Amino acid sequence: QSALIQPPSVSGSPGQSVTLSCTGTRSDVGSYNRVSWYQQSPGAAPKLIIYEVNNRPSGVPDRFSGSKSGTTASLTISGLQAEDEADYYCSSYTSSSTYVIFGGGTKLTVL
Amino acid sequence: QVQLQESGPGLLKSSQTLSLTCTVHGDPISSGGYYWTWIRQYPGRGLEWIGYIYYNGDAYYNPSLKSRLTISVDRTKNQFSLRLNSVTAADTAVYFCARYCSGGTCDSGHQFGVDVWGQGTTVTVSS
Repeated sequence: QSALIQPPSVSGSPGQSVTLSCTGTRSDVGSYNRVSWYQQSPGAAPKLIIYEVNNRPSGVPDRFSGSKSGTTASLTISGLQAEDEADYYCSSYTSSSTYVIFGGGTKLTVL
Repeated sequence: QVQLQESGPGLLKSSQTLSLTCTVHGDPISSGGYYWTWIRQYPGRGLEWIGYIYYNGDAYYNPSLKSRLTISVDRTKNQFSLRLNSVTAADTAVYFCARYCSGGTCDSGHQFGVDVWGQGTTVTVSS
């Protein structure tokens, strides 16, 4: 099964908004609201920041929001801060037998 | 606060068996309705779902690894484990154990999210 497709890199200036995309298929993102997003800083484990497309665990700033349209999920970070610089991964349940697949990750650079 | 800790050898030779254990601290492995999960991260970023297991022993594997993989659970020790046979250099990665809420009644409510991760352990396979 193929990974979800994410752009390798995105950049933005402090205070700006950026949107990270995650493109799947009708077997995963397009058919299920089981998309989650993870933030990973260098040397650390990934951290859950969005689950079920648009829900934030407690403690995650409301600057982070998720959405989905068709087979593409998106993570929007508003009011960009230097501490947001990290790698971001999406994942989705898939109807193929792997159950869960990940995107290749997007490196967010805060200029 | 649940914490997960991986343990196991960091260096293997090709054809050997990788054995890793994850100890769950702070909550019984049988509580909360979670699936206990192994995920690996290749050098250069990519994440791969390896498989997961429920406390009752029901396990689900990535088909690409299924022929070499066994995931087991030991409720008495509050641990779950991974065994991957016949490793090659392609199995070199950071291995994470993690907690996955696969819908249903998981206490955290973080549906279909991996909400607790171990720190990860680096596994290198040499030829």
